[in-house]
Amino acid sequence: DAGVIQSPRHEVTEMGQEVTLRCKPISGHDYLFWYRQTMMRGLELLIYFNNNVPIDDSGMPEDRFSAKMPNASFSTLKIQPSEPRDSAVYFCASSLLEGVDEQFFGPGTRLTVL
Amino acid sequence: AQKITQTQPGMFVQEKEAVTLDCTYDTSDPSYGLFWYKQPSSGEMIFLIYQGSYDQQNATEGRYSLNFQKARKSANLVISASQLGDSAMYFCAMREEGNNRLAFGKGNQVVVIP
Repeated sequence: DAGVIQSPRHEVTEMGQEVTLRCKPISGHDYLFWYRQTMMRGLELLIYFNNNVPIDDSGMPEDRFSAKMPNASFSTLKIQPSEPRDSAVYFCASSLLEGVDEQFFGPGTRLTVL
Repeated sequence: AQKITQTQPGMFVQEKEAVTLDCTYDTSDPSYGLFWYKQPSSGEMIFLIYQGSYDQQNATEGRYSLNFQKARKSANLVISASQLGDSAMYFCAMREEGNNRLAFGKGNQVVVIP
């Protein structure tokens, strides 16, 4: 299996622009997670899905952030409008089951908002 | 309240030596899981080892072992026979029962020197 795939790997944009991050989870995994990593706040869970349904979005910072999972093999995280404080590495992860099953992380998208 | 605490400063380790990374956690849930992830400079998050709260024995995976002291709420990672490729940030994380949110610590930086 190719693992979790994220695109783009790097994104540089200007403040106010819309940013869309993409994720393809490992085939057969029922859970998909979006994380954000910054120096100040470390790794934070933004939202996670189970069988394409958002379960917990309490980590989404504000209404500028939205996430969708239209099918089992694709998810997007959108920021509109973007702000410099959104600059971070965004990780997507997937897991097969809840409980003991580990989460497999994608390579991350490094977002820079100028 | 911070659930995972990793307070060690950056560590330098001699190649082939063992290193212990400290992790303490806070939960009132009797059922939980503890995870360690490695993040090398390339940025990806790599799952290393898992310990369940009801596991009777300490988890081991190759050169990685987890020193689980439930009463002290600590889950220290031991890396034996360090290799240059072990240089990375190491994150401890916890997931409580019925909750798929992984709470991460701030990480420990390890540099292995020849």
